[in-house]
Amino acid sequence: AQTVTQSQPEMSVQEAETVTLSCTYDTSESDYYLFWYKQPPSRQMILVIRQEAYKQQNATENRFSVNFQKAAKSFSLKISDSQLGDAAMYFCAYRSTQGGSEKLVFGKGTKLTVNP
Amino acid sequence: DTAVSQTPKYLVTQMGNDKSIKCEQNLGHDTMYWYKQDSKKFLKIMFSYNNKELIINETVPNRFSPKSPDKAHLNLHINSLELGDSAVYFCASSQGASGGDEKLFFGSGTQLSVL
Repeated sequence: AQTVTQSQPEMSVQEAETVTLSCTYDTSESDYYLFWYKQPPSRQMILVIRQEAYKQQNATENRFSVNFQKAAKSFSLKISDSQLGDAAMYFCAYRSTQGGSEKLVFGKGTKLTVNP
Repeated sequence: DTAVSQTPKYLVTQMGNDKSIKCEQNLGHDTMYWYKQDSKKFLKIMFSYNNKELIINETVPNRFSPKSPDKAHLNLHINSLELGDSAVYFCASSQGASGGDEKLFFGSGTQLSVL
């Protein structure tokens, strides 16, 4: 079974600075998808960014980018120019491509605080 | 219009009661899910339905019974509620179940408190 590990329960960053959230995963599959979700205090789950495992190019979405290292099974999220609205729980998630296993497997989350 | 709506947002009830949480999506998606988020914020899949058929059933007590009357609805009924059932329950949907990169759309969650 796949597992996702986020080793940083909490992180903090100064407004306008850059922060990197770590994520590692364990799988024997060669094709899969990885996601970062954000959960602000409103509780809503919001997709931040996604990456296909077969693509070597790292995904980017505005101020959000990932460092995907397939061999190391690492998928970190970099937030540039941090804003107060970035404060939230961030969840790394893995999705299999195998039939019957399409669920998202989540890490335990990292709570990000943005200091003004 | 809300894409995935679940009701109620908050549910407070006594141990031993039976309760239901309703979920509806207006996105035309084929696949719907129930996730449970515990007090430590850990999210875990409970069930997944594709076009009204159960495709994923994690190790969940029999007291939890999902019902999908049509592909736009996936309700969760819980019998004989226990203290450990207290959590936030999220409904979600996606276009397909092919394991691709389809984005999951989440509802806003139902916070269940069992006293």
